[in-house]
Amino acid sequence: DAGVTQSPTHLIKTRGQQVTLRCSPISGHKSVSWYQQVLGQGPQFIFQYYEKEERGRGNFPDRFSARQFPNYSSELNVNALLLGDSALYLCASSLGPTLSNQPQHFGDGTRLSIL
Amino acid sequence: GDSVTQMEGPVTLSEEAFLTINCTYTATGYPSLFWYVQYPGEGLQLLLKATKADDKGSNKGFEATYRKETTSFHLEKGSVQVSDSAVYFCALVTNFGNEKLTFGTGTRLTIIP
Repeated sequence: DAGVTQSPTHLIKTRGQQVTLRCSPISGHKSVSWYQQVLGQGPQFIFQYYEKEERGRGNFPDRFSARQFPNYSSELNVNALLLGDSALYLCASSLGPTLSNQPQHFGDGTRLSIL
Repeated sequence: GDSVTQMEGPVTLSEEAFLTINCTYTATGYPSLFWYVQYPGEGLQLLLKATKADDKGSNKGFEATYRKETTSFHLEKGSVQVSDSAVYFCALVTNFGNEKLTFGTGTRLTIIP
């Protein structure tokens, strides 16, 4: 079975632009979470979606938004890009909604560079 | 807010050495604790977990015990191998309100033959 797939693998944008990142969860998984990993740091939680509803949100500005589709895939949108948004963006999926007892399966990430 | 503090790296050990990577946490309520690992060229994957005090998580020869009294979840392995070279992340999820997975900064481990 395919793991979590993310696209694109790499992306270069300029300040002020908007970006959309995509994630396909493992088949049968209904929960998708998004993380930002700045170089040399651990991943930081951005959002969790379960059954197309937002279930959790981290400390990120409103420029960050996400949604989940009926097939459980997800998109992360970032508006008005800043240099500080340069990072690896990770998507993780799990079967159920509870992060504490559902192992998270991570994709390889999208590396976003802002010039 | 919730936070995880990990032993700073990088850590370099010889094969068959004993490994400890320290992890302490601050959290509301009674969190579940995790160790995730990222091998070179691979995605993050769960290594082990513990969901309540005094639980011991174990996998692939690694162990960690949930110590509520010291708010710690140190990772140990008795005899490391070159294939254990990776970045290790301690993480927690609080079972309280807005549930989120909080990671430490990661510890890069290199094992030399």
